[in-house]
Amino acid sequence: KAGVTQTPRYLIKTRGQQVTLSCSPISGHRSVSWYQQTPGQGLQFLFEYFSETQRNKGNFPGRFSGRQFSNSRSEMNVSTLELGDSALYLCASSLRQQNTEAFFGQGTRLTVV
Amino acid sequence: AQSVAQPEDQVNVAEGNPLTVKCTYSVSGNPYLFWYVQYPNRGLQFLLKYITGDNLVKGSYGFEAEFNKSQTSFHLKKPSALVSDSALYFCAFRLMDTGRRALTFGSGTRLQVQP
Repeated sequence: KAGVTQTPRYLIKTRGQQVTLSCSPISGHRSVSWYQQTPGQGLQFLFEYFSETQRNKGNFPGRFSGRQFSNSRSEMNVSTLELGDSALYLCASSLRQQNTEAFFGQGTRLTVV
Repeated sequence: AQSVAQPEDQVNVAEGNPLTVKCTYSVSGNPYLFWYVQYPNRGLQFLLKYITGDNLVKGSYGFEAEFNKSQTSFHLKKPSALVSDSALYFCAFRLMDTGRRALTFGSGTRLQVQP
């Protein structure tokens, strides 16, 4: 069974640009969540999608957005990049039930210069 | 605010010795509790979870964790550490019956196992 796939693995962008990250969940998993990991703030929840609808959102500015497609694949977009957006962005997929664990992809390392 | 604390930034242990990585939580309500491990340049790998029932939970790679409701703790343990266990460990929770699937993570504990 294939795991969670995130593309690309690494990205370098310039301040002010925008970026789109992609996540393909485990087959059969319809819930996809995104997290940002930085040395200073640790792991922080960005948002969760289920059945193409955003179900929950973390405390991030509107520059961070996402969507989910009918095949459960998800993308997140960051517009007007800032230096502080440099981070490892992790996608997690899971079954819908709350008591199930999330499975994480290897992440996309975004560097903003 | 609901949170989970990992009081030790780093834990050092000799190979073959038992290890404990501490986690305490502060939530209003009942949590599902999880442990994840992260190796360099990798995502998080699920180790184990506490849902309900037996307070001692067994997980992957010989790890186990003990849920203690009165002390609001969920410490990760292993009877005999391996050098390959050296990694970053995260405790996390999700509140029951809220419909929210977001995980709240602790700050992480770096485990260093010396040969």
